[in-house]
Amino acid sequence: TQLLEQSPQFLSIQEGENLTVYCNSSSVFSSLQWYRQEPGEGPVLLVTVVTGGEVKKLKRLTFQFGDARKDSSLHITAAQPGDTGLYLCAAKKSGGSYIPTFGRGTSLIVHP
Amino acid sequence: EPEVTQTPSHQVTQMGQEVILRCVPISNHLYFYWYRQILGQKVEFLVSFYNNEISEKSEIFDDQFSVERPDGSNFTLKIRSTKLEDSAMYFCASSPNRQGKWETQYFGPGTRLLVL
Repeated sequence: TQLLEQSPQFLSIQEGENLTVYCNSSSVFSSLQWYRQEPGEGPVLLVTVVTGGEVKKLKRLTFQFGDARKDSSLHITAAQPGDTGLYLCAAKKSGGSYIPTFGRGTSLIVHP
Repeated sequence: EPEVTQTPSHQVTQMGQEVILRCVPISNHLYFYWYRQILGQKVEFLVSFYNNEISEKSEIFDDQFSVERPDGSNFTLKIRSTKLEDSAMYFCASSPNRQGKWETQYFGPGTRLLVL
């Protein structure tokens, strides 16, 4: 069973701070996705990364896929209260199977 | 903006009862999915559905589960005889294109199922 370990599990910061959350595995993945989930809602896709070493930016969010495609990070610059939520990574292996593996998520709270 | 809808938002049932969770995917999407998320645990894939048949299913999706697209709009998940451990949030999702490309999936708001 492939496992995705996300860290930290919880993060509570003040508005304006920077933060990085991580998604790690011992398995190699063909692609990885990051989602944000707010209470009472379904996950919303933020980004998909497919190439080792790939870096994608979405406004204040920077996503990186590790060179070996075993890990990924999400960096948020100048966090805002609207960034509060559960950040999930999900990955799938190479081949025809779609079945994704999700991490448990990092719960982020940004205080005004 | 089109969105996936799910009904009911909450359902409480007795152990052993059948439940049907309903989803209306985005209208021009071709792939449909069910996931579950037990409280405090990770999101788990249950099943994917394309062209009126199951594409893939996980180990969780045993004989107690079934999916159906009874008409052109609804996509349902049936649990035949619920168990306590079926208590979870169930998410429906849909995507416009072939799953091999891992196209963007759009998740519904979920149905919280509580089995007593």
